[in-house]
This record gives sequence, C-alpha cells and structure tokens, in this order.
Amino acid sequence: QSVLTQPPSVSGAPGQRVTISCTGSSSNIGAYDVHWYQQFPGTAPKLLIYGNRNRPSGVPDRFSGSKSGTSASLAITGLQVEDEADYYCQSYSLSGSGVFGGGTKLTVL
Amino acid sequence: EMQLVQSGGGLAQPGGSLRLSCAASGFKFDDYAMHWVRQAPGRGPEWVSGISWDSRSIGYADAVKGRFIISRDNAKNSLYLQLNSLRADDSAFYFCTKILSTNYYYYAMDVWGQGTTVTVSS
Repeated sequence: QSVLTQPPSVSGAPGQRVTISCTGSSSNIGAYDVHWYQQFPGTAPKLLIYGNRNRPSGVPDRFSGSKSGTSASLAITGLQVEDEADYYCQSYSLSGSGVFGGGTKLTVL
Repeated sequence: EMQLVQSGGGLAQPGGSLRLSCAASGFKFDDYAMHWVRQAPGRGPEWVSGISWDSRSIGYADAVKGRFIISRDNAKNSLYLQLNSLRADDSAFYFCTKILSTNYYYYAMDVWGQGTTVTVSS
C-alpha cells in the first residue's frame, strides 16, 4: 500500500477536463512539495509537474498542478488521446524517504 | 543533452548480491543529488535511496536499509547501488534519477535512466 493515495483510474472524453487527486499527511505532502510524473508502458516515468505547480520545459500548459495542505491535484484540460498513461504523484517524508502514490490510470474514451 | 545510462543488474539468487551503475553525461554531475527508484511489474514506483552531491547526506527506504549501499564517484560522473542480501521482493526494474535543482536533496527527479532489471530467484 502506497503512502500517498491516488484514485486507481480516471477517464474522460477528448477535449474534457480531468483531475487526479493525491492525498498524504502532515509528514509528507504537508511538509514537502509535490511532483507529478507521466508514464507510458515500458518507459521510464517523465517529470510532468514539479514544485506543486511548475511545468518543465516542453510540457503543455494543458497540465497543471496544485497543492493545499496535505493534498495535491493534477488537472489535465483539453484531454487528448495521447494523454492516456499512468500518472504518479511523489513527495518526501519527514522520516527521510521519498514517497510515491500508487498511480492513476487515465483512459481517454 | 542530459543523460543517464545504466548498467549492471540481472539474475541473482536469494541472499546474493548485484551492483548497479549509472553513468551521467550532459550536466555537471557533482552539482546534483541523485536517487534510485525501483518499480515492480504492474506496480507504481518505489523510492529506494538517495545521495547528496557531496555524499554527506544519504538515505534509504526501510525495505532496503542495511542491505543496499548507495555511492557516487564524482570524478567518474557515476552513481552506484550495491544490492546485498537480495530477496525475491527486491525483483524490479531499477532506475537512477537526477534531482532537478542544485542544492536540493529532496526534490523532483527530472532525468531518469533507461532502467535495469533485477530478478531474484533460485
């Protein structure tokens, strides 16, 4: 069982908006920034959002992140077929370790 | 282009050892903390270990503490993970990663290696 809690799956039609939640505690998300990764089958995760809401160069502005207290969210607007992937949130813990969410599979209907 | 190229891994017996290596290029290696992450088939990533740029700060997941050793050689632009006392549940794909910002130990991982498979089985 993962330290950070994400919904196992979300879905949406092309063009729609979806959100993925990530719930933690005061010892992880409440203390550190949250980062989001996108992963396609057979490939390494790719950094999508860092520092709660910042996008690395090359990531479309359709992807946005937010954090409030011990929870964070990833929003994807204007959903596209190529967005179908697994999404993971990640942070750190006051105990000195990294923590990941269990992942959310996005299906574009 | 920033790149991490991994080597090592493979098949080991329970109780055995393996060493993973990660060669960095395209960035100033000794400015950045580096971490190892593993992912078992069908599961999410799991943080394994991290090391600061100067090796003064090192951390391990509880699941590997006392068995795995992370190290780096800044002169060789390389990161290592020594896996000892291997167990079946250590079987996974292992990734080396670079931390996004200098002077940070705990932050986002912006560059990932291609991954290497570790299989522990008799």
